[in-house]
Amino acid sequence: AQSVTQLGSHVSVSEGALVLLRCNYSSSVPPYLFWYVQYPNQGLQLLLKYTTGATLVKGINGFEAEFKKSETSFHLTKPSAHMSDAAEYFCAVSDQALRDDKIIFGKGTRLHILP
Amino acid sequence: DAGVTQSPTHLIKTRGQQVTLRCSPISGHKSVSWYQQVLGQGPQFIFQYYEKEERGRGNFPDRFSARQFPNYSSELNVNALLLGDSALYLCASSRDRFSDQPQHFGDGTRLSIL
Repeated sequence: AQSVTQLGSHVSVSEGALVLLRCNYSSSVPPYLFWYVQYPNQGLQLLLKYTTGATLVKGINGFEAEFKKSETSFHLTKPSAHMSDAAEYFCAVSDQALRDDKIIFGKGTRLHILP
Repeated sequence: DAGVTQSPTHLIKTRGQQVTLRCSPISGHKSVSWYQQVLGQGPQFIFQYYEKEERGRGNFPDRFSARQFPNYSSELNVNALLLGDSALYLCASSRDRFSDQPQHFGDGTRLSIL
């Protein structure tokens, strides 16, 4: 069975500092990996995804993530945090072999930006 | 183009009642998935529908059912509501049924059970 673990339910960084949100996954088959962002009272917006190919994936709003198979990790980073980045972030995994829409989400990390 | 639209935005029901939530996918999208997001948790997969057929089902009781219409819109029905069904219900659409295609989420329906 697939699963996702997000380390840290809350992360605080100062404006302009590096953002690092950690995600580890468990999957017996090659996974598809995703990061989504959720602003208050809104649905989820896809930040970036890894399917195949290049392991460093660039997304919207300056975010990027690196797929590291040996570490079963897919950490999300952004070089310089902005106040507008304050939101809930979800790492997610799906099964390439199943080829369906089912996505398993982590419990989320709330990112706080300090002025 | 309009995004995924869900109705209603908020709903209050009492235990034992039944509820129907509606979702209109992005134009051209044939796959609709439903998720339940309990406060403080990540979304949990309930159903996927593609071309009006159920293609996937999560670990939810039979009180939960759904259907997809010829215009690809979808309804989620929940019978015999329990307090634990209080959650944000999210609908997502994508062009086809495969998860390498990006899913686009609506803003959800917040269901409160009294």
